[in-house]
This record gives sequence, structure tokens and C-alpha cells, in this order.
Amino acid sequence: AQSVTQLDSHVSVSEGTPVLLRCNYSSSYSPSLFWYVQHPNKGLQLLLKYTSAATLVKGINGFEAEFKKSETSFHLTKPSAHMSDAAEYFCVVSLSGGYNKLIFGAGTRLAVHP
Amino acid sequence: GAVVSQHPSWVICKSGTSVKIECRSLDFQATTMFWYRQFPKQSLMLMATSNEGSKATYEQGVEKDKFLINHASLTLSTLTVTSAHPEDSSFYICSARPPAGPNYGYTFGSGTRLTVV
Repeated sequence: AQSVTQLDSHVSVSEGTPVLLRCNYSSSYSPSLFWYVQHPNKGLQLLLKYTSAATLVKGINGFEAEFKKSETSFHLTKPSAHMSDAAEYFCVVSLSGGYNKLIFGAGTRLAVHP
Repeated sequence: GAVVSQHPSWVICKSGTSVKIECRSLDFQATTMFWYRQFPKQSLMLMATSNEGSKATYEQGVEKDKFLINHASLTLSTLTVTSAHPEDSSFYICSARPPAGPNYGYTFGSGTRLTVV
């Protein structure tokens, strides 16, 4: 069975400091992994995706994530946080191929302080 | 490209009435769309998978007679909350995946905030 665990429900950083949002997954198959961001009362925006190509994935707005199969992790990072990064972030797993369901993590709320 | 439009963005209705939410893929065809429900400060829960030209597939615990899904065309899926009650108040989000490969990211609508009074 597939599952996603986001290890922190809340993360708080100062503007200009690095961001680390942690995600571990469980999948019996080769997974596709995604990070989405959601601003209040908005839909979800795709930040980046891993689909069995390069293990270091670069996304929008300076975010990147590294797929580590040995650790079953897909942590999201950004070198320098911006106030506009404050939002809810979801780590998501999907089976490879086909129109399979997305399995969402519980989400991590990122707060960015001046 | 790959835009999913959801309408309305918010709606308030009285208990016992029905509400229809539309989800449109604007620049691609979507044979499959997904409907999610999100409670405050919680993650998204898949309610059902909407299939063009056939019946929707509902997740366990979701009342199909309560949440009617119609996917009559390749660009439109609708979710109707029938006989709404206050406990149906929630944020509903649809999504679809553009046909750009098996692992392309899913595109989400902007969501509909339903409040039943």
C-alpha cells in the first residue's frame, strides 16, 4: 500500500533562511512523487515532480527536492525563504502510469517571519 | 496551459437544498477528473473519480446518492451536493491530469467553499 508521511505539521523560519519540509513515502511500486503548495482558500499549485528521471528535482520559485530511494524520502528544500512562501505544502505519491489515485500527506504549514 | 477552472469559488445555501459545482478543463481533454474534500486545516481526501461517459467511482464511505457526479463531456465534470446539511460544509477541489504522459502533474481547480446554513 502507498502512504505518505510529512514529518512536521508546522515549520517556522525567518525570511532569508533555508527551508526544509520533510516527506517519507511508502510504495510497493516505483512511485511518482509530487510537492504541491496551497495558499489559503486556494487550489493546489504544482511545485515539482519526480518521475524516475533525475533524483534531484528542481521546481518553481526556487524549490527543489531530492528523491532518496534508500531512505524512502523526498524532502523539499529552498535555500532562502521569502515571505510569500508562507502556505500549506503537501507531499503526494502516485503509482507510476495510468490514472491512479493521488495519496496526500497531511500537509506542512510553513510560516515565514520577518 | 493545463488549466482547470472550478465554479463557483464559494457558495452559501440553505439546509435541504442542492448545490452544483462545475469543474472544467480549459485547454485539454480530461477523460478522468477527481473530486476532493478538504476540512479546515486538514489534507485532501479523495471522494470520487469521475469518468467521462460512465459512472463515477466513489471512495469508501462516500455516499454516491449524496454526492452526484456527472462527467458528460471531455471537459466538464459536475459535483452536486444533494439535500445539503451543515456537516457538508467544506472546501471541495477538483483535479485533472493533462494527457502529457503518465506521470505529468495533476492540475487542480481553485476550489469551492461550500457553507450550508
